[in-house]
Amino acid sequence: EAGVAQSPRYKIIEKRQSVAFWCNPISGHATLYWYQQILGQGPKLLIQFQNNGVVDDSQLPKDRFSAERLKGVDSTLKIQPAKLEDSAVYLCASSLGLPIGETQYFGPGTRLLVL
Amino acid sequence: DAKTTQPTSMDCAEGRAANLPCNHSTISGNEYVYWYRQIHSQGPQYIIHGLKNNETNEMASLIITEDRKSSTLILPHATLRDTAVYYCIVRVIGSSNTGKLIFGQGTTLQVKP
Repeated sequence: EAGVAQSPRYKIIEKRQSVAFWCNPISGHATLYWYQQILGQGPKLLIQFQNNGVVDDSQLPKDRFSAERLKGVDSTLKIQPAKLEDSAVYLCASSLGLPIGETQYFGPGTRLLVL
Repeated sequence: DAKTTQPTSMDCAEGRAANLPCNHSTISGNEYVYWYRQIHSQGPQYIIHGLKNNETNEMASLIITEDRKSSTLILPHATLRDTAVYYCIVRVIGSSNTGKLIFGQGTTLQVKP
């Protein structure tokens, strides 16, 4: 079974530029998550989708971050404009979406460096 | 904030059992204990989870105390490839009951030859 795919794996941009990350979840997984992991810290949830609807985006900096999952499968996360503090690894995860005991499976992440 | 407390780091000799403790004294009755690990430059990897009973799979065993206030992850025969950050997570129920994971700092396990 293929895992969660993410691209690109690495990205270097200058501050105030825009960047987008792509995620393809495990086939059949209804729930998709985007996490931000700053160096030395654990991952922090940014947004959670159930199919193509947003379940939780309380930690998403909506003035600069946006995410969509139009057809309930792939998802994109965008940052516009980027700041230095956005340098981090952006992780995508997916799960079946069962309410109890669900397991999230993570992709390899996209490492972003903002200069 | 994470609802778990873990030691910052631990060492283990290769081939020996690694026992990683976790305190979750405020856990609620319907919250599960999850363990993930993160090897350098990779995404977190699911290991095991449990509610009340001890659990075992091909990777590890999870021992949960009777009062559920603490647990121990056991890697029975640690190898160098088990060197990673191990996260103990109590799964909270989000607004739509689908449950987000709140990661703490985790325990850095160093397996030594």
